[in-house]
Amino acid sequence: DAKTTQPTSMDCAEGRAANLPCNHSTISGNEYVYWYRQIHSQGPQYIIHGLKNNETNEMASLIITEDRKSSTLILPHATLRDTAVYYCIVRGPNTGNQFYFGTGTSLTVIP
Amino acid sequence: DAGITQSPRHKVTETGTPVTLRCHQTENHRYMYWYRQDPGHGLRLIHYSYGVKDTDKGEVSDGYSVSRSKTEDFLLTLESATSSQTSVYFCATLAGTGANTGELFFGEGSRLTVL
Repeated sequence: DAKTTQPTSMDCAEGRAANLPCNHSTISGNEYVYWYRQIHSQGPQYIIHGLKNNETNEMASLIITEDRKSSTLILPHATLRDTAVYYCIVRGPNTGNQFYFGTGTSLTVIP
Repeated sequence: DAGITQSPRHKVTETGTPVTLRCHQTENHRYMYWYRQDPGHGLRLIHYSYGVKDTDKGEVSDGYSVSRSKTEDFLLTLESATSSQTSVYFCATLAGTGANTGELFFGEGSRLTVL
C-alpha cells in the first residue's frame, strides 16, 4: 500500500489560495489519489480525486506531479469555512475498498 | 448526503460492559465501514463490510466485532469495553466500488466514553 506524508499543520490568509502538499512516493501506477476534509467534529467529506491528470471541481483543484510521487490540493480562494483537517489518501487495487486516512493536515484560514 | 444514521450519538458506560453501536443507511450501498478517531491518531479503520454477512478487519480491530445481517445495518460491538476504547466512532458507506469511485459518506459520529 502506498503511504502518504502530509505536513501536520498550515495557515492561510483568507482570500488567498491554500496549497496543501502530499507526498506519496511509493504510489503504484494504478493507484488513485483522493482528498477528503473534516470540519471540526463532523465526518470527513470527499473533495476530489485523480490518477495522473490534474483535476478541478467546484471545491478544489488537484495537481499531480508527472512522476506521481506527490500532489497538491489547491483551494483557490480560502474562506474561514475551509478551516479543517485535510486528508490525502492513496487507493487502488491493492487497497481495494479500504480507505486509510492517517492524521492529515490541519489548515487554519486566518481572517 | 447518503442518509447515514448512527446510534447512539453519545454513550457513557463502565469498563467491562458490552456496547453496540448501530449504523443505518438508506442508499443500499454495498460497502460500509467503522472508524475510530482519537487525538494524534486521526481516523483509523476498525472493520468494514463488503456485503451482507461479509466483513473484514481493518487496522485496529482488536477488541471489536461487527455484524451485517441486512444491507442497511452495520453493527459494531465492544464485547467488554475498556477505557482505551473511549473515542469518537464514525460509520461510512461507499458510493460505488470501482477503483475510480471513492466517495465515502460519513455519519455524524458516536461519542463513547468508557469509565
